[in-house]
Amino acid sequence: SQTIHQWPATLVQPVGSPLSLECTVEGTSNPNLYWYRQAAGRGLQLLFYSIGIDQISSEVPQNLSASRPQDRQFILSSKKLLLSDSGFYLCAWSGQSSSYEQYFGPGTRLTVT
Amino acid sequence: GENVEQHPSTLSVQEGDSAVIKCTYSDSASNYFPWYKQELGKGPQLIIDIRSNVGEKKDQRIAVTLNKTAKHFSLHITETQPEDSAVYFCAASRYSSASKIIFGSGTRLSIRP
Repeated sequence: SQTIHQWPATLVQPVGSPLSLECTVEGTSNPNLYWYRQAAGRGLQLLFYSIGIDQISSEVPQNLSASRPQDRQFILSSKKLLLSDSGFYLCAWSGQSSSYEQYFGPGTRLTVT
Repeated sequence: GENVEQHPSTLSVQEGDSAVIKCTYSDSASNYFPWYKQELGKGPQLIIDIRSNVGEKKDQRIAVTLNKTAKHFSLHITETQPEDSAVYFCAASRYSSASKIIFGSGTRLSIRP
């Protein structure tokens, strides 16, 4: 069966520091991968999606970037965090054959201080 | 682009009663409508979905209905139980090679004992 992992689970970082969040998927090949952000008490905002290695689309211009160095690894990064980057970051995957069904990871709670 | 509106934002029902959450969408080309349940501090979990060629789908105590003409869809939970307490998100998507799901703003459902 497929599983999706995210780490770290929680992170507290000062303003201006760099960020690296990692997401990996097991049990499937060539998944579509997604990064979402969820502000406190709010819905999910799609940040990036990827249909393959080095194929990444950005949905919202911002302080963040994404990379996909391996088929089942998706990384969310920032060079300098802003206070507004605080939130709950969720990675999701979908299969190529049923790309409309997305499955989410456990999330990373980021607090920028 | 697609816009999904969800109501109500909060809902409190007596244990054993039914709960109904409603959503509307704007893009008539959307053809996939998932519902997610998110428990506190966790990632959203896909609980049921419906495609545009179906008007209703049921899975035990939960059911979804879709009215394509009116562009609205609903989640129905019968015989509610304490473990149904969570935030529920509706979403809409147009099938593509990497479907971008647009989420509603969420409904916080509380089950009163």
